[in-house]
Amino acid sequence: GAVVSQHPSWVICKSGTSVKIECRSLDFQATTMFWYRQFPKQSLMLMATSNEGSKATYEQGVEKDKFLINHASLTLSTLTVTSAHPEDSSFYICSAIKGGGTDTQYFGPGTRLTVL
Amino acid sequence: GESVGLHLPTLSVQEGDNSIINCAYSNSASDYFIWYKQESGKGPQFIIDIRSNMDKRQGQRVTVLLNKTVKHLSLQIAATQPGDSAVYFCAENTAGNNRKLIWGLGTSLAVNP
Repeated sequence: GAVVSQHPSWVICKSGTSVKIECRSLDFQATTMFWYRQFPKQSLMLMATSNEGSKATYEQGVEKDKFLINHASLTLSTLTVTSAHPEDSSFYICSAIKGGGTDTQYFGPGTRLTVL
Repeated sequence: GESVGLHLPTLSVQEGDNSIINCAYSNSASDYFIWYKQESGKGPQFIIDIRSNMDKRQGQRVTVLLNKTVKHLSLQIAATQPGDSAVYFCAENTAGNNRKLIWGLGTSLAVNP
């Protein structure tokens, strides 16, 4: 299998607070994980590539100080939205590559963030 | 910039019919293609993939066709069922692109009972 989980599945927070989202590969080790955000009826937008033990690589236009990514182990990556504002409200999805020569990304169920 | 696009943004089919979802890509250097299914409020689910050294690959009720000459990718779903209703995305991967995927816009498939 290739199961990826995310926690929490949804979160509501007040403007100015920080929110941490966890992404775990449950039955495999993932050297590379990706973080996406998705707006309604749109495609996925890559935010950053997370490699275990190294700094994340952010896509152009994504603030690294705003969206902190930590990939501390081969099965866990976290995304922290710092000082969240209503415009950060979105569906955040992570994916993980199983390794072993395959590039297939397996996705988590997503986290719905609502900032009031 | 280069992107993956879809011919049909929405597709409505009758239950039991076959569905064909199309995708055009522009990067001739792409060597790996994937179809994902995304149901409302969920993450994308891997359906099937194909490498550029192949032109057809079959799975359970699904077939992916790759035409490199015209840079076209399609997903065929046999005997479409209500549970197939979702948004389908094609994605491409180019060797040396740090394993990042380029995503299509998505096609919404609606299966009518």
